[in-house]
Amino acid sequence: DAKTTQPPSMDCAEGRAANLPCNHSTISGNEYVYWYRQIHSQGPQYIIHGLKNNETNEMASLIITEDRKSSTLILPHATLRDTAVYYCIVRVNPGNMLTFGGGTRLMVKP
Amino acid sequence: EAGVAQSPRYKIIEKRQSVAFWCNPISGHATLYWYQQILGQGPKLLIQFQNNGVVDDSQLPKDRFSAERLKGVDSTLKIQPAKLEDSAVYLCASSLGFLSGGYTFGSGTRLTVV
Repeated sequence: DAKTTQPPSMDCAEGRAANLPCNHSTISGNEYVYWYRQIHSQGPQYIIHGLKNNETNEMASLIITEDRKSSTLILPHATLRDTAVYYCIVRVNPGNMLTFGGGTRLMVKP
Repeated sequence: EAGVAQSPRYKIIEKRQSVAFWCNPISGHATLYWYQQILGQGPKLLIQFQNNGVVDDSQLPKDRFSAERLKGVDSTLKIQPAKLEDSAVYLCASSLGFLSGGYTFGSGTRLTVV
């Protein structure tokens, strides 16, 4: 699976949009971009995934650049409960297991 | 639906002792994973089961770690003997199978080896 690069930490004001970037410049054509988050003392939680089109669900939006070398996870109105570590993962679907990197620690502040 | 259940929630043991963790996946989920998460790092896959067969155990330290999934449902992960560096959170996850997009994780077992 392709390697991903994320900033180690970010801050966001409560009620504002949180935009979490991820670089995956070596992604191949059959690899999906997955996002998970891990709130303190809990297991990782699936957020969203996509191949090349932008995706939206009740939790977040995923924007993938046209060349697929980077993506952005958008939490439209961040709350204090969104404080967590966010992991961007690239993998072939179906098939490979999830390989986690260091993720981005998002701190939502009042 | 009920989530992935893990027990115990916390465990403290002395080095060289043995310990076992239990996982009950979501009903009907064929694929089960055990991950190890050391403080400050992302989870690392230890072993993957498809029903009761092992798909990938290449990252499992087989000299001290073992895992089984009898009858393709519950799973246990054992460490014997434990070392200080095994202190971590052990996470269990399940998914419908290879065609499933997302995994569902349990809350994990926090192991401290002293």
